[in-house]
Amino acid sequence: SQKIEQNSEALNIQEGKTATLTCNYTNYSPAYLQWYRQDPGRGPVFLLLIRENEKEKRKERLKVTFDTTLKQSLFHITASQPADSATYLCALDMKSGRRALTFGSGTRLQVQP
Amino acid sequence: DADVTQTPRNRITKTGKRIMLECSQTKGHDRMYWYRQDPGLGLRLIYYSFDVKDINKGEISDGYSVSRQAQAKFSLSLESAIPNQTALYFCATSDFRGTGSSYEQYFGPGTRLTVT
Repeated sequence: SQKIEQNSEALNIQEGKTATLTCNYTNYSPAYLQWYRQDPGRGPVFLLLIRENEKEKRKERLKVTFDTTLKQSLFHITASQPADSATYLCALDMKSGRRALTFGSGTRLQVQP
Repeated sequence: DADVTQTPRNRITKTGKRIMLECSQTKGHDRMYWYRQDPGLGLRLIYYSFDVKDINKGEISDGYSVSRQAQAKFSLSLESAIPNQTALYFCATSDFRGTGSSYEQYFGPGTRLTVT
C-alpha cells in the first residue's frame, strides 16, 4: 500500500542546533516533493519544493534533500530558533494521475531556548 | 486582506444537519482544494477542482459534496453531518501554468467543525 511516513514523535532540540526531519514514502513515484510549515490552528505555509532530478535545495537556513532511490527526503533547519517551533509537513506530487498533493502527517519540532 | 478566506471559522452543529463551508480566494488561481485534518492523520484530500467545470473526488469524498460557483469560490457541503466529520477543514488554491511543473498550495485559515 502507499504510505508517507514522518516521525510522529516530536523532535526537541536546543536553539542553535540543526534540526533534521525525515519524510519516507513507499509505493509512490513523486516527481516533486514539497515541504510546508504549520502553526497550531493555522493553515500550512509553503516552504520549499524539490524536483526528482535535484539532490538538494536551499533557502536561507533551510535545506531539503531528495533521494528517489532511498525514497526519502530530509529537511534541515540550521541555527534553529524557538520561532522555528511548528509542525512540518512533506507532500508528494506525482508524475501523472490526479496531480494533487498527498501529505504526510507531519513532525512537530520544538526548539528550546 | 487574506488571499484565501474561509467562512465560518468555527461551527458547532448537530448530527443530521446540512452544513456548508465556504472558501473564497483573490489569488486568481484556477485550482482549488478541500482537505480535512485530524490529529495524527495529516491532511486528507476531500475534493479538488482544476477549473469551474472540472471537479474531482479526493481520497475521502464520501459524505461530502462541493460546488465551484466561480473561479474564486469553492464550497464544501456536508449533506447530513455525523460526529466523525468533526475535524479542521482547510481550503487551498494553487496556480497552474502548464504540465510538467509543481505548484505550491496556499491555504486558508481553516474551519473548525464540531458535530455533536
